Parts: sequence; C-alpha cells; structure tokens
Amino acid sequence: QKEVEQNSGPLSVPEGAIASLNCTYSDRGSQSFFWYRQYSGKSPELIMFIYSNGDKEDGRFTAQLNKASQYVSLLIRDSQPSDSATYLCAVNNALDTGNQFYFGTGTSLTVIP
Amino acid sequence: DVKVTQSSRYLVKRTGEKVFLECVQDMDHENMFWYRQDPGLGLRLIYFSYDVKMKEKGDIPEGYSVSREKKERFSLILESASTNQTSMYLCASSFPTKHYEQYFGPGTRLTVT
Repeated sequence: QKEVEQNSGPLSVPEGAIASLNCTYSDRGSQSFFWYRQYSGKSPELIMFIYSNGDKEDGRFTAQLNKASQYVSLLIRDSQPSDSATYLCAVNNALDTGNQFYFGTGTSLTVIP
Repeated sequence: DVKVTQSSRYLVKRTGEKVFLECVQDMDHENMFWYRQDPGLGLRLIYFSYDVKMKEKGDIPEGYSVSREKKERFSLILESASTNQTSMYLCASSFPTKHYEQYFGPGTRLTVT
C-alpha cells in the first residue's frame, strides 16, 4: 500500500501570513506530485504540480520537493480568506502504477481575516 | 477548459437498489477514474479505465462495477446498494502520458437508506 501522509489540521493562519502545508509519501519511486485545493462541498481543483527536486513558484504558491526525504510541501504566501479550504497532496509513480494517483487525507486550512 | 460532468449532484437510493452513476468528459482523455471520498479516509480509488472497454480495479472495488463503452463516458454501478456505500463519488479524467494531472467532476453525493 502506497502511503501519502498529511497533517489533517486544522491549520489556522492570519490573513497575510505564510501557510505551510506538508506531505510525506512512502513510495520512493514516485515521480509526479500534485497539490489540489478542495472547497467545502466542491470537487478538488489542481493548483500546483512538481516533478523535480527544488522549488516551483506560481504566483502566491510555491511547491517544494525533496525526493531524498520523500517530502513535498506547499507554501501559500500572503494568505487570503479565500484560501480557506482543504488541500490534498497526490502522488504518482507512472512506472509502477501507471496513471493511478495516491491521495493524502488533506489538510484543512483556515485563513483568519 | 476541461469539463467533467456527472449525472447527478445528489442521489438518494434504498438498500438493495441498483445504482448507476454517470461521468462524461469532453477533452478526449483516455484515462477515467472513479473515487469515493469519506471524512478521515480521503480519496480512495474504486476503478479506473485506460481505454474503451478496459477497466482496472483500484483499492476498493468490492461492491462496484464499471462500464466504458465510449471514450467520453465512464459509468459506476452499485449492483446492490448498501448503507456503507453512502459517500461522495468523484469522477476524474486525464491524458495517459506521464505527469498529466487528473481533472475532477463536481461529484455525486449518494445517500443509501
């Protein structure tokens, strides 16, 4: 069983602060890593993906990947109340399980105005 | 934009009924997936399909079957609904190439009474 672990939270940060969301995975052969945002009652939507070690920035979002430590994180700068949602980490090892994703249980983020 | 649609947003069925959940995508994706999402358990893969008439079991296929007669449509079938199948069901689709993200439909909230 391929495990993807996330701190379920809830994580609360004040508006304007940096929110840091973390994810660890058990399959060392994993190659693709995705962060989805899910608002309450809605379906997940992709916000970031990363394939290579290091940082990837997209606007206020930065994904960080460390394959040696089997760790991927998402930083949200200048957090806004509209960022309040559950964030899901997803991992894929195409060589082993094709296009099957493994999801964490999600971290609930609340941004306090 | 990728569009994944599901036949119902909310569905209430009785124990023992046969239930059909339909998913349609308009982006010519080869891959389609059915997940269920439960609090504390996250997203769990039920079945997926790489091509028309092809299907693969996911992590929790028991009590479910699927059908893919056309590329754009993937159906999930509950042969005899039970109360433990009350859940949010999410359909997703993607291209088969490595690194391609999955796009989700709006979800169907199924209640079995």
